[in-house]
Amino acid sequence: KNQVEQSPQSLIILEGKNCTLQCNYTVSPFSNLRWYKQDTGRGPVSLTIMTFSENTKSNGRYTATLDADTKQSSLHITASQLSDSASYICVVSDRGSTLGRLYFGRGTQLTVWP
Amino acid sequence: ETGVTQTPRHLVMGMTNKKSLKCEQHLGHNAMYWYKQSAKKPLELMFVYSLEERVENNSVPSRFSPECPNSSHLFLHLHTLQPEDSALYLCASSQDLAGGRWEQFFGPGTRLTVL
Repeated sequence: KNQVEQSPQSLIILEGKNCTLQCNYTVSPFSNLRWYKQDTGRGPVSLTIMTFSENTKSNGRYTATLDADTKQSSLHITASQLSDSASYICVVSDRGSTLGRLYFGRGTQLTVWP
Repeated sequence: ETGVTQTPRHLVMGMTNKKSLKCEQHLGHNAMYWYKQSAKKPLELMFVYSLEERVENNSVPSRFSPECPNSSHLFLHLHTLQPEDSALYLCASSQDLAGGRWEQFFGPGTRLTVL
């Protein structure tokens, strides 16, 4: 069964600190993995996308890693800001799907305190 | 903005009402999607349209009825909903289908409350 599990479910950090969010998946055959940021009351916005051959990808203070062998990904946020408070969703797609279907994690709710 | 707009942003309706959600994408994409997002649950895919043809109905109850009159517009018609249908309904579009290779761009969502 194709699944995406994220941890922790929620996280509180102080402004300026770093944090790492985790994503484990069982989706196969693997196509790509995306991290989305979803602000409260908004739709998700893509942060990074990685294919099988990519290990690391950065977008400003966001750095995603992918280990396709262990089927794990992480999203590292550096020097957090109050605006980083949001839900971060890991999304995995499989090569077998022709319908554009994505497998979504439940998300990690990040709160940054001043 | 992402180029995908949704109206209304908030909707409160009774169980006997009929209402419609509207989605419009300004990105020239060929595929559009409806998702349901409930608290503490992953996004649930409801419907997929490609070039105005429905290609998937993900076991959604008939009280939800989608309509795609053209590649830029997508509607979700609501009829005799239940309180458990209260959720954030998200519309998304992508350049084409093809196994998630194309990024999906999401609208801001409609927060639906069924009384």
